[in-house]
Amino acid sequence: NAGVMQNPRHLVRRRGQEARLRCSPMKGHSHVYWYRQLPEEGLKFMVYLQKENIIDESGMPKERFSAEFPKEGPSILRIQQVVRGDSAAYFCASSPGALAKNIQYFGAGTRLSVL
Amino acid sequence: AQRVTQPEKLLSVFKGAPVELKCNYSYSGSPELFWYVQYSRQRLQLLLRHISRESIKGFTADLNKGETSFHLKKPFAQEEDSAMYYCALSAQGAQKLVFGQGTRLTINP
Repeated sequence: NAGVMQNPRHLVRRRGQEARLRCSPMKGHSHVYWYRQLPEEGLKFMVYLQKENIIDESGMPKERFSAEFPKEGPSILRIQQVVRGDSAAYFCASSPGALAKNIQYFGAGTRLSVL
Repeated sequence: AQRVTQPEKLLSVFKGAPVELKCNYSYSGSPELFWYVQYSRQRLQLLLRHISRESIKGFTADLNKGETSFHLKKPFAQEEDSAMYYCALSAQGAQKLVFGQGTRLTINP
C-alpha cells in the first residue's frame, strides 16, 4: 500500500493563477480530509469529503476555494485566483470509515508558493 | 469551538532525561485525543491516541478531564525522538481533527 499520495509536492503560482492540488487516498479508504498549514502554525482543517459528497466544509474559505472527490480519480483541492496569503503547505489525509476513532493517514503534503 | 494548546514551541532535553510535552484542550464534550509525530523528512503519523491506552516507542499520554490536558511523556529520551509533535482533538461524533501548533523536540546527545 503506497499510502496517501499527494501531487505535486511543490507548486509555484503567480498571483491570479489557479492551483490544483491532488490527493489519492490509501487503497480501501473512502474518506478524505484536507488541512492547511501556514508557516509556524499547526494544521487547520479545511474540508472532509466522501466519494462524490462534501460532508463538512466548515474550514474552507468562502471564496476561491473548492474541493471535490469524484467517483473515479483523486480528490482535488482547487484554489482560484491565488493570492500571496494562500502560500502554505496543504495536507491530505484519508481514513477507511467515518467513525472518529478511525485513524487518519496523512500524505506528504503539497507546498504552494504564490509569487 | 474546540481548541488545542501546546504552550512550548521548542523543547530541548538531554538524552536519557525524562521528557514531557504539554497539551491542553478546550472542549465541553467528550473528546478523543491524539498525538501525531513528524520526523525529519517524513510525513505526519499517528503516535498514540487516548482510547488505546498503550505505550508507543516508550511514550504514554493520559487524558486528564479535570485539567483538560493530554500531556505526552517518556521517562528516558532517545536521540531518535527528535521530531515535531502535534496534539490533536476530535470532537464527539466529528471526523475532523483540531491540531495544536506543535512542539519541536530536540534530544541532545
